[in-house]
Amino acid sequence: EAGVAQSPRYKIIEKRQSVAFWCNPISGHATLYWYQQILGQGPKLLIQFQNNGVVDDSQLPKDRFSAERLKGVDSTLKIQPAKLEDSAVYLCASSLERGGGDTQYFGPGTRLTVL
Amino acid sequence: GIQVEQSPPDLILQEGANSTLRCNFSDSVNNLQWFHQNPWGQLINLFYIPSGTKQNGRLSATTVATERYSLLYISSSQTTDSGVYFCAVGNNFGNEKLTFGTGTRLTIIP
Repeated sequence: EAGVAQSPRYKIIEKRQSVAFWCNPISGHATLYWYQQILGQGPKLLIQFQNNGVVDDSQLPKDRFSAERLKGVDSTLKIQPAKLEDSAVYLCASSLERGGGDTQYFGPGTRLTVL
Repeated sequence: GIQVEQSPPDLILQEGANSTLRCNFSDSVNNLQWFHQNPWGQLINLFYIPSGTKQNGRLSATTVATERYSLLYISSSQTTDSGVYFCAVGNNFGNEKLTFGTGTRLTIIP
């Protein structure tokens, strides 16, 4: 079974530029998550999708971050414009279905550096 | 929101040693998972354990939900066990939002 795929793996941009990340979850997984992991910290949830609907986006900086999950499969996360403090690893995860007991499976992440 | 504290923050051990990692949380939970983040950044799920005890090879975990803590045991450590271990908890029924602790960095010396 293929794991969670993410691209690109690395991205370097200048502040005020825009950037987009792509995630393809494990086949059949209804729930998809985007996390931000700043160096030395644990991952922080940005947004959670159940199929193509948003379940939780309370920690997403909506003035600059946006995400979509068209057709309930793959997803993109966009930052526009980027700030220096957005430098982090962006992790995508998926789980089989909503409800208690769902193991989350993580992709390899995209390391973003904002100069 | 729920607070998650992990201890110790850093642990350095010789290969073959045993270790115990602790996770304390501030509220009742219906979801608790342990993850290992390897030196290349990949997060691997080790256990889903909101209560009780589980074992998988050299690793085992115990969660005492009534006392709001969980323990991860690693026996006969190997260099491949190095990395950061995260505890993540959730307490929203119907919403799988996880709150991660700050992790325990484990270094196994040959």
